[in-house]
Parts: sequence; structure tokens; C-alpha cells
Amino acid sequence: GEDVEQSLFLSVREGDSSVINCTYTDSSSTYLYWYKQEPGAGLQLLTYIFSNMDMKQDQRLTVLLNKKDKHLSLRIADTQTGDSAIYFCAETPASGGSYIPTFGRGTSLIVHP
Amino acid sequence: DAGVIQSPRHEVTEMGQEVTLRCKPISGHNSLFWYRQTMMRGLELLIYFNNNVPIDDSGMPEDRFSAKMPNASFSTLKIQPSEPRDSAVYFCATAFTSGSAEQYFGPGTRLTVT
Repeated sequence: GEDVEQSLFLSVREGDSSVINCTYTDSSSTYLYWYKQEPGAGLQLLTYIFSNMDMKQDQRLTVLLNKKDKHLSLRIADTQTGDSAIYFCAETPASGGSYIPTFGRGTSLIVHP
Repeated sequence: DAGVIQSPRHEVTEMGQEVTLRCKPISGHNSLFWYRQTMMRGLELLIYFNNNVPIDDSGMPEDRFSAKMPNASFSTLKIQPSEPRDSAVYFCATAFTSGSAEQYFGPGTRLTVT
């Protein structure tokens, strides 16, 4: 079955760039998502990319997809303390009628002054 | 739209009691997901409804857990009887299952069973 792997922790200094990485196993066409979870809240969709794309940029966020290596990354430019949260990578098959996403365990991003 | 609404936000109950968690999806969304989140196991999918019909309930831990979706505007997750190991945050998420099908999560219900 599908599997999504992420490292558990990332610590960066305020103002630096953060890069959160994710690997997945589904080889079919798929949607890949990044969600953010702040303490005491639900997951909030940040951005998503379809597997026929290599890159997507949205303000401080850049998503890079290496389909050959099944590697997805989220880059946050000029990281702020408000970016401290858990970031989840997820994938959903684009065909087959199943809309059940597979989530990673989440990466805790800690931003220190 | 107010987003996905869950109630209660916090629930503290004693072992053996019945617990009912509620979810109101975003209007127009045709899929609803119940998740459980714990430190040990992360985010687990419990059950998935599409057009009010349960499609996949393989994640429901045992017979003590049941979920219903009587109409497009409401779903419940019931635990009877509750046990301390059921303590977790329970999330409801909804989506429109076409295209990117991104999910929108509610704020969660933090359940503590003593």
C-alpha cells in the first residue's frame, strides 16, 4: 500500500529558509499536499501539487516534486516564529475513485530567534 | 462558510460511559472523514463516508466505535463503552471529491477518558 515518510523534527533560525522533505511510494498519478497544524488546531491545507508538475510557488512557499525519486519538499523562505507548527505531507491517488489520503507522521518545525 | 464544525471541543468522561462526537461538514462537500490523532500513532483514519454512505471503515478500532451520517449536514462518531486508551483528539475532515479533493479539517474534539 501507499506509504508517506517524513523526518520528525526540523529546527531553524528565524529569517532562514526551512526545507521539509517527504517521500512517498504511490507510482500512479497523484495529488500531493502539505498541511500545517498549529497547537490545539486541526490541519490546515497550505498547498498542493499534481504529480505532472515539478514546482509550485505561492508567496514564501515553494513546493518541489521529484517524481522519479518520489520526493516532495516544502521550502519556507524567511521563516518566522509563526511558522512553528507540525507540517504534514499527504498523497491521494488521482484515479481509481479512492479519495482516501495517506498522511505522513508530520514534521515538527521549531523556529528559534 | 464557517468551515467544518465539531462539538464538543473538549470532553472528559469516565471509563464505561458513552461518548458522542459531532461534525457538521462544509456545505457542498460530499465526503467526510473521521480521524484520531495521538502522539503514539499519529493521525489515523477511522472511517470515510462518500455521499453519506460509509465507504471504508477498516480503521475503526473495534465494535465499541460506530459512526453515522444520516444526511449531508451531520455526522456522529460514538464510542460505547469508552476506555482510557480512547483518549485522543478526534478530527472530522470534509472534501469535495473531484479534482484535487483537498481536505478541510475541523478544530477537533479532545477526548479524555479517566
